Amino acid sequence: DVVMTQSPLSLPVTLGQPASISCRSSQSLVYSDGNTYLNWFQQRPGQSPRRLIYKVSNRDSGVPDRFSGSGSGTDFTLKISRVEAEDVGVYYCMQGTHWPKTFGQGTKVEIK
Amino acid sequence: EVQLVETGGGLIQPGGSLRLSCAASGFTVSSNYMSWVRQAPGKGLEWVSVIYSGGSTYYADSVKGRFTISRDNSKNTLYLQMNSLRAEDTAVYYCAREEDSGYDLWGQGTLVTVSS
Repeated sequence: DVVMTQSPLSLPVTLGQPASISCRSSQSLVYSDGNTYLNWFQQRPGQSPRRLIYKVSNRDSGVPDRFSGSGSGTDFTLKISRVEAEDVGVYYCMQGTHWPKTFGQGTKVEIK
Repeated sequence: EVQLVETGGGLIQPGGSLRLSCAASGFTVSSNYMSWVRQAPGKGLEWVSVIYSGGSTYYADSVKGRFTISRDNSKNTLYLQMNSLRAEDTAVYYCAREEDSGYDLWGQGTLVTVSS
C-alpha cells in the first residue's frame, strides 16, 4: 500500500497567520491518465470529514479561497493563508491514484 | 438536499454480526462509486470497502471475507454486512460518495462498538 506521511502532526497557529501542512507519498501519485489524485480533508471536532481539495489544487464547492493545495509527484502541501477560528480540526491527505486509497495520519490544527 | 444518512451501529459482542445502512438522497447510489470508511476512536481514517457503479466490490485486507458491501437500488441505499466482528473493528463507520478519486460527500457516521 502507498504510505502517506504528514508533517507536522500538531500545528499550533495564531489567528490571522498562515499555516502549512506537508504530505509525502511513498510512490508517485501521477496516474496513467496524467492526473494526480491527491485530496485534502478537514475534520472539525465532532464532525464528519469534509473534502477541501481534489486533484492536488482544485477546491471543492463552498471551500474558502484561503485554502490552497499544491505539489506534484510525491510531495504535496495544503496552505491556509490566514487561519480563522473555524479552521480548528484535523486535516488529512489521501491518495486516490493507487489501490487501495490511503490516508495520512492527520495533522491537528489548533489556535495558540 | 444531497445527503447520506447512516444507521445500524451499536454495541455487539465479539464474533457477532451487524448490518449498517446508508440512505442516500438527492442523487442515485447505483450511478456512483460508494465506499465505507471507518475511524477507530481517536484515530485516523481507513478505507474499508467500495462498490462500483457496475457492481464490482472490493475490500480492505483487514475485513476481506468478513464484510460484504451491497446496495438496494429501489431504496437508494448502501449496506455493509459485518460478520465475525472483532474488537479492532470498533469505529465510527462513514459511507461516502466517490468523485474524482476522492470522497466528496460523507454521512454523519454510525458508531460500532465490539465488546463483551
